[in-house]
Order: sequence, then structure tokens, then C-alpha cells
Amino acid sequence: EVQLLESGGGSVQPGGSLRLSCAASGFTFTSHGMTWVRQAPGKGLECVSAISGSGGSTYYADSVKGRFTISKDTSKNTLYLQMNSLRAEDTAVYYCAKDDGAAISFFDYWGQGILVTVSS
Amino acid sequence: QLVLTQSPSASASLGASVKLTCTLSSGHSNYAIAWHQQQPEKGPRYLMKVNSDGSHTKGDGIPDRFSGSSSGAERYLIISSLQSEDEADYYCQTWGTGMGLFGGGTKLTVL
Repeated sequence: EVQLLESGGGSVQPGGSLRLSCAASGFTFTSHGMTWVRQAPGKGLECVSAISGSGGSTYYADSVKGRFTISKDTSKNTLYLQMNSLRAEDTAVYYCAKDDGAAISFFDYWGQGILVTVSS
Repeated sequence: QLVLTQSPSASASLGASVKLTCTLSSGHSNYAIAWHQQQPEKGPRYLMKVNSDGSHTKGDGIPDRFSGSSSGAERYLIISSLQSEDEADYYCQTWGTGMGLFGGGTKLTVL
């Protein structure tokens, strides 16, 4: 059974940092791309950052480029999102999502989500 | 530029059928998409992938009431025998070179 469990969320002041984690199980971690998707309060879904199965390719939305870093630890089957220089507009529920294949494609499993609040 | 367009809202009666539409931008009519359901106060759930030829592959445990089809640049999610728990936001999603991309979502109300 595929499971994705996010952690690391919370409240932080503008300009601060947080690291989100997504512990994955039930599939071969290196064979699937992974994506972080966020949802601001009352808004739709937005892809924030993605990484290929091998970890060799990474992608970022323009809104987070230069501030967020995606990575994966294959020994721990864990996906990370390091978020620096956080802004109020980064406030959202963050989901990790598993891609169907090694390259970025469609998401066939989702985590339960973790709330990040950026406020003074 | 790859864009997905969805109507913001739709409604249908309990027990009836509804067809939700996701439209691919010009020049991208051969793209496959995926449909995701988000019930109130819950995370998204993958429903199915719909290919340009109308074939579709559903996720684990998705009821037979849910199906997909295609016509040109439009991709459809058809829900039959509507139940109260089908009241949710429905998002289409596609991908190109780089990250995935979502449509704005359709809020389905079951009357």
C-alpha cells in the first residue's frame, strides 16, 4: 500500500525557513518522480516543485525559484522541501504527490497535507 | 502555452449524471490529463487518467460510476448516479516538459 506522510509544517515569521519532509512507502522510491503541491486558503492547487525518480532533474515554479529547494534521500525513502525567505503568500497546505512514472507526469497518490503559516 | 480551463462550478441532482469538462489550450489537444477529486476539508484523491483517444485508467478503488472520455481538446469526467459524497472540487491536471499543471477546478454541487 502506497503511503505518503508529510511533516515539518508550522508557523514561521516572514523571512524565516522551514523544511518539509514526506516519508514514502509501498513503492520503489527511485522509480517515481515526486512533486510538492500547495493550496492557499480558499484557492486551487499549485505545483511548487518536482523531482524526477533518479533525482537528476528538478523543477520549480517561478514564485519559489531561488528560495525553495527540493531533494530526496533514497536511503530513507524521504522527499524534502527546504523553504527559505518565506513570505505571507507561501501560506498554504502543502501536499506531496507521487508521480505515475520516473519522469514528471500525473499524480496517482497524495499525502494528507501539512499546513505552513507565514505570519508576523 | 499549456493551459487547462475548467468551469468554476457545476450542479446536478442526486441520482443524476454530470459531465465536467477540462479544455486544453490551442496546440495541445493530444495531451493526456488526470482528474483529481477534493472533498471538503480533505486532501486531493486521484480519480483517473484520460488519454486523447478517450481511453482512461482509474485509480485504486474508484467506483464504476466515474468514467472519462475525450473529444478534440476537451477531456471529460462523467459521474453517474450522483451521491451526496460526490459534492467536491474536481481538478484536471496535465504535464509537459517540467512540472505538472492544474486547471482552476470545478466545484460540483449535488442538489
